[in-house]
Amino acid sequence: EVQLVETGGGLIQPGGSLRLSCAASGFTVSSKYMSWVRQAPGKGLEWVSIIYSSGSTYYADSVQGRFTISRDNSKNTLYLQMNGLRADDTAVYYCAREADLGYSHFDYWGQGTLVTVSS
Amino acid sequence: DIVMTQSPDSLTVSLGERATINCKSSQSVLYSSNNKNYLAWYQQKPGQPPRLLISWASTRESGVPDRFSGSGSGTDFTLTINSLQAEDAAVYYCQQYYSSSYTFGQGTKLEIK
Repeated sequence: EVQLVETGGGLIQPGGSLRLSCAASGFTVSSKYMSWVRQAPGKGLEWVSIIYSSGSTYYADSVQGRFTISRDNSKNTLYLQMNGLRADDTAVYYCAREADLGYSHFDYWGQGTLVTVSS
Repeated sequence: DIVMTQSPDSLTVSLGERATINCKSSQSVLYSSNNKNYLAWYQQKPGQPPRLLISWASTRESGVPDRFSGSGSGTDFTLTINSLQAEDAAVYYCQQYYSSSYTFGQGTKLEIK
């Protein structure tokens, strides 16, 4: 059974850093395209970043240069390192798996972890 | 980035009736080499992550009731929910995965009366 479990969220001051983790089971993270998607309170979904099975990474303009996506194949875990956090980064962060290699829909999502950026 | 615009923002439909949600993309999401529309629909209930309903514009995900259907091509898409049930109350999102910068519609809130 495929499962994604995010951890690492919390309350952080503006300008601070946080690392989110997404532990996967039931499949191999390195064999799939994996993304982070966020949702600000009461708002819609916003794609944040992706890591391809090849290791290539891409980011939304809103986080480019501040966030870094990575994975640890030995732990089958996806990460999102977030630096220079701002109030508008406050959101529930979901990790999501793409169904197929190449651009594809998200077939599995984690339950999400809440990041609150506030002084 | 491809902009996805859903309409309406919200709608209220009676139990047992049909709901129709539209999604328009700012450019075509139809990939000519494989004739596939790179468009998905998700359902999200409060406190839960999104749930995939429809991929490739019209392919229903396993386990999704057949009252949910997707249609459209190019830039205009529709999610139709027939014989509405109380549990269909949710926010629905379309998403394009045609470009490397994925984008979602703003969401449509469906209420059942």
